[in-house]
Order: sequence, then C-alpha cells, then structure tokens
Amino acid sequence: DADVTQTPRNRITKTGKRIMLECSQTKGHDRMYWYRQDPGLGLQLIYYSFDVKDINKGEISDGYSVSRQAQAKFSLSLESAIPNQTALYFCATSATDATYNEQFFGPGTRLTVL
Amino acid sequence: GQQVMQIPQYQHVQEGEDFTTYCNSSTTLSNIQWYKQRPGGHPVFLIQLVKSGEVKKQKRLTFQFGEAKKNSSLHITATQTTDVGTYFCASGGGADGLTFGKGTHLIIQP
Repeated sequence: DADVTQTPRNRITKTGKRIMLECSQTKGHDRMYWYRQDPGLGLQLIYYSFDVKDINKGEISDGYSVSRQAQAKFSLSLESAIPNQTALYFCATSATDATYNEQFFGPGTRLTVL
Repeated sequence: GQQVMQIPQYQHVQEGEDFTTYCNSSTTLSNIQWYKQRPGGHPVFLIQLVKSGEVKKQKRLTFQFGEAKKNSSLHITATQTTDVGTYFCASGGGADGLTFGKGTHLIIQP
C-alpha cells in the first residue's frame, strides 16, 4: 500500500558498514513491524513496536536494532552489516483495535551486503 | 508467535486446475491469517479465521480452519494466471506478533 513507505527501495553496501532502513506510514496505526524475507524461509519477524515507547524483539533480532521516532516512523538499523543479512526487508503496520488484526506491508527494501 | 508449518513449498498446476495449500501446527492456534504475495510484490492480507471449523469464501478462494484449530487450508478453484504468487499462512498477532509459514509458491502453466 502507498500508505506504508520504505526507503531506500534498494541498497548495496559493504561488510562492516552501518545501514538504516526507514519506514513511514500514514495509516495512523499504533503497531509497526520489521520482517526479513529470504527465499524459501518466508517472513521472519525482527522487531516490533506497539506504540512509541514500546520495542520488542522478534525471532531474529541479533545484529539489528530499531528506533520508533514517532507513531508514524519506525527505522531498522544494521550496526555492522554482514553478507548473511542480504535479504528483502519489509515494514508492516496494524491497528490495535482492528476487527481482523491484519497487517499492511510496505513495498520492501532489497539489501545486498558485499 | 505460534509456530506453523506450510505445505507444499511449490505447486505447479495447469491453468484451470484447482490448488490447495495447507497450514499445520502442533498447538492450538488462536487465529489463522492468509496473505498473498505476487512476484516482486509485498504480502497482502486475504482473510482471518478465528472460529473452530470456520469456512470462508472469496470468489474462487475457500479458506478453512480445522475443528481443533491446529490446521487450515486455502483452496483455489479453477486457477487463473492472476493467481500466481506465494501464499502465506500466519498466526498470532497479539503480544508476540505474527508468525508466518514459509509459504507455498503457486506456479501456473497456461
């Protein structure tokens, strides 16, 4: 959805570099998520946040950190990128009081670490 | 999140044939959600099931939640080329976030 945007859309970097992926949403949702997608492994949850002061680790948080700067912004950082962090990264949002608890995904950021 | 296993990983069908993907868990699931991801795209929510034995339909798509709430299926009748993509099941969404299955890639041969 255009309501969830991610920047950059593509990034190539070198091992050891610090990288920040940004996510913004205009849906007014409280909940935001970062996922990683690798071929054959589906979507794995990295971090999630239920409001500005709430940060939770997902199943694969090692090597990543996040910042929830505002309700609408949730950024993911790789402090020292390594090649096995090459993947497609998705940000998603959901509403706390939604009937279906569905998640809305951004278009993704394709990250390559050389 | 609640762990879910999804099969098959890949499914090749001729256009017009039916397609089914299955999602299984060793534990009782609070809910099951289904998403579709087109090639090069992002996952898009299709539906959520929460009740034991629940069945929902969306045109040619039929979603089922098992009586024990440990399995679910998505069935597509008479596939079309627009059905191509990866179908994911997911469960949870509460305090622990959603856990996704690994997805079933649907490949359709005209």
